[in-house]
Amino acid sequence: AQKVTQAQTEISVVEKEDVTLDCVYETRDTTYYLFWYKQPPSGELVFLIRRNSFDEQNEISGRYSWNFQKSTSSFNFTITASQVVDSAVYFCALSEGGGFKTIFGAGTRLFVKA
Amino acid sequence: NAGVTQTPKFRVLKTGQSMTLLCAQDMNHEYMYWYRQDPGMGLRLIHYSVGEGTTAKGEVPDGYNVSRLKKQNFLLGLESAAPSQTSVYFCASIFRPTGRQETQYFGPGTRLLVL
Repeated sequence: AQKVTQAQTEISVVEKEDVTLDCVYETRDTTYYLFWYKQPPSGELVFLIRRNSFDEQNEISGRYSWNFQKSTSSFNFTITASQVVDSAVYFCALSEGGGFKTIFGAGTRLFVKA
Repeated sequence: NAGVTQTPKFRVLKTGQSMTLLCAQDMNHEYMYWYRQDPGMGLRLIHYSVGEGTTAKGEVPDGYNVSRLKKQNFLLGLESAAPSQTSVYFCASIFRPTGRQETQYFGPGTRLLVL
């Protein structure tokens, strides 16, 4: 069975600090997909990234970066030089096989203080 | 280009009543999903569709039915609402091009309260 664990319930940082959100997953499939989403206080959902299990290259998009390590079953998300606008709940998710059925973690609430 | 819209935005139902939630996308995407989000939790997949005329069950399909008669619309039905279905419902429209990065677009959500 698939499972996603986001052990950090809440994180609080001061603006300009770097912060890493942890995501650990469990799956028996060799083909799977990992995702990150952002949910700001306004409640909307924003898709950030999808990574497939055959691509362990790290991804960087502006201040965001993702570190995928199969050896530790982790897909961590780092925000560099955090800003107040980064305050949100961030969800990690996993989808096995064809990538249709997605299981979400419980989320990590990030507070960035000015 | 409206993206993904959801109708209604908010609804109160009595136990046993029925209703249909509409998700519409104008991006010609094949994949559409219905999720529910309960307080303090991540999303749970209810049903999904990989194309017009197709639907499939997700993680929590019981008590819901769906239809995708037109590519741009994905309907979620509650035949007999129960208080346990009180939640925020999100629709997603997904573009999954071969060899390129996937993108997903979410609707603004429908807040449903079942009394």
